Amino acid sequence: GEDVEQSLFLSVREGDSSVINCTYTDSSSTYLYWYKQEPGAGLQLLTYIFSNMDMKQDQRLTVLLNKKDKHLSLRIADTQTGDSAIYFCAGLPGGSYIPTFGRGTSLIVHP
Amino acid sequence: KAGVTQTPRYLIKTRGQQVTLSCSPISGHRSVSWYQQTPGQGLQFLFEYFSETQRNKGNFPGRFSGRQFSNSRSEMNVSTLELGDSALYLCASSLGAGDQPQHFGDGTRLSIL
Repeated sequence: GEDVEQSLFLSVREGDSSVINCTYTDSSSTYLYWYKQEPGAGLQLLTYIFSNMDMKQDQRLTVLLNKKDKHLSLRIADTQTGDSAIYFCAGLPGGSYIPTFGRGTSLIVHP
Repeated sequence: KAGVTQTPRYLIKTRGQQVTLSCSPISGHRSVSWYQQTPGQGLQFLFEYFSETQRNKGNFPGRFSGRQFSNSRSEMNVSTLELGDSALYLCASSLGAGDQPQHFGDGTRLSIL
């Protein structure tokens, strides 16, 4: 089945850009998602990209997909303290209704 | 549009008891999925219901069960609770087609004493 890997932690300074990386194993994955989880809350869908796209931009968020390397990244421009959270990458294997989630990357934004 | 609503938000139970968690999906969503989230195992898929039928199932013991009603609301039941069942249980809903993303509720925090 699909395997999704993420680094566990990322620390950035307020105002800098953050880049969270993710790799997946299933080349048939059709959609790739980014979710954000704040303390005490569920997962909030941030953005998602279809596998035939290379890039998607949504305000401060930029998603890059390298399908050849099965690598997905989420760039957050002008990172704020309110962006501190756990970010989950998820891939939807072809023919499946259930995405596979990574373990999450804890983003810490310090002044 | 109201989001996914899970009740209760917090529960404390003792070993051997059973528990029922409830999830009301976003209006119009017909698929409801349940996940268990723990620090050690991350997010693990329990099962998914679509139009009152279990469509997908994860790798959990039979003590974990669920159902979906005709209004798409779903319940999850855990019997004979164990200490290891302490977790955040998340419900997610979607329209049900493969290309529609899941939207999550804020979860039920279950603590087993």
